[in-house]
Amino acid sequence: KNEVEQSPQNLTAQEGEFITINCSYSVGISALHWLQQHPGGGIVSLFMLSSGKKKHGRLIATINIQEKHSSLHITASHPRDSAVYICAAQAGGGADGLTFGKGTHLIIQP
Amino acid sequence: GAGVSQSPSNKVTEKGKDVELRCDPISGHTALYWYRQSLGQGLEFLIYFQGNSAPDKSGLPSDRFSAERTGGSVSTLTIQRTQQEDSAVYLCASSLGGGYSPLHFGNGTRLTVT
Repeated sequence: KNEVEQSPQNLTAQEGEFITINCSYSVGISALHWLQQHPGGGIVSLFMLSSGKKKHGRLIATINIQEKHSSLHITASHPRDSAVYICAAQAGGGADGLTFGKGTHLIIQP
Repeated sequence: GAGVSQSPSNKVTEKGKDVELRCDPISGHTALYWYRQSLGQGLEFLIYFQGNSAPDKSGLPSDRFSAERTGGSVSTLTIQRTQQEDSAVYLCASSLGGGYSPLHFGNGTRLTVT
């Protein structure tokens, strides 16, 4: 069974700061998902990646397959980025093999 | 376009009663997943459908839980004889299927068992 660890568990930062959230997993995977969950809201898929780096707006996700590690970066953070960020490791060909991290609770203060 | 729709959004039920949760996936999405998120806990996989079949039911916590999908579309998750520990947000997600299709989540059903 894959063990997915996220750090930090909680992060409070000032508006404008560069944010990094880390995710490590124990077993080789086919893909890594980054999800965003706003308080009281649904879950949005931010990225799914199996190698290298992806960028969407101010969000960047990277993965190092050899080191079994992924990072989510937020540039020029804004209070609306406040949410729980969850990484999930996909073991096989479908998302049935997803193992979730416990999430990183991010608060961006104005 | 329409996203993944779940109903009801909230459900309060008495211990011992049966409940049925519904998920309408995005049209054309062949893969459908049920997850559970308990208070203060991470997401937990329950069951996965590819079309109408469920190749992986390993996440269902007990035989009180069952799920079906008909017509490759709507899915229902049924919990029989509910217990207080069943209280959680039940989330449904769908995708186009295949190995690298992103998930689209519904807003979940918040189940409270009193």
